[in-house]
Amino acid sequence: AQSVAQPEDQVNVAEGNPLTVKCTYSVSGNPYLFWYVQYPNRGLQFLLKYITGDNLVKGSYGFEAEFNKSQTSFHLKKPSALVSDSALYFCAVRDDDYKLSFGAGTTVTVRA
Amino acid sequence: NAGVMQNPRHLVRRRGQEARLRCSPMKGHSHVYWYRQLPEEGLKFMVYLQKENIIDESGMPKERFSAEFPKEGPSILRIQQVVRGDSAAYFCASSPPQGPDTQYFGPGTRLTVL
Repeated sequence: AQSVAQPEDQVNVAEGNPLTVKCTYSVSGNPYLFWYVQYPNRGLQFLLKYITGDNLVKGSYGFEAEFNKSQTSFHLKKPSALVSDSALYFCAVRDDDYKLSFGAGTTVTVRA
Repeated sequence: NAGVMQNPRHLVRRRGQEARLRCSPMKGHSHVYWYRQLPEEGLKFMVYLQKENIIDESGMPKERFSAEFPKEGPSILRIQQVVRGDSAAYFCASSPPQGPDTQYFGPGTRLTVL
């Protein structure tokens, strides 16, 4: 069985400050890790993924994530947050098959 | 390059009616997945289809729910005799023929059962 935990329901930061959204995972096989962002009444937009290779993955809109195997974490980061980054962020994991398991989501609010 | 398309975006049904949700995958994609998002929850896998084949429907409720992906046309998620508990956002995702890799999601259909 695979699962994802996003320990924070909400993250609030000021514009220009670093943003971190936490994610830990559990899989029985090789982890394939993803971050998606959901804006109000919209679908999920793919941000980035880790399949293999470098532990630091760079994605869309200036986001990056670091895969840490020993801590089974895949935290999403952005060095300088924008008001437009305010949205709902989902971490997802799958192993060698295709079913994505999603966390409950973290609401990010960036204040001007 | 059009993304995953879903329609309708919003669907209102009364209890006992049928709901039909449609999904057109991205161009060149032949794998389709349906997920359901209940209020205040993350997405839950429902079913995985390829053209004319249901690969895995382990996440589908045993009754009233069915899915298909015909040779021609969109994938259809059908919910018969809807109940209030079916109210949710239903998302479709697609991936290319070479494998699941990244799943790209559509905008979703928000079903409200009165």
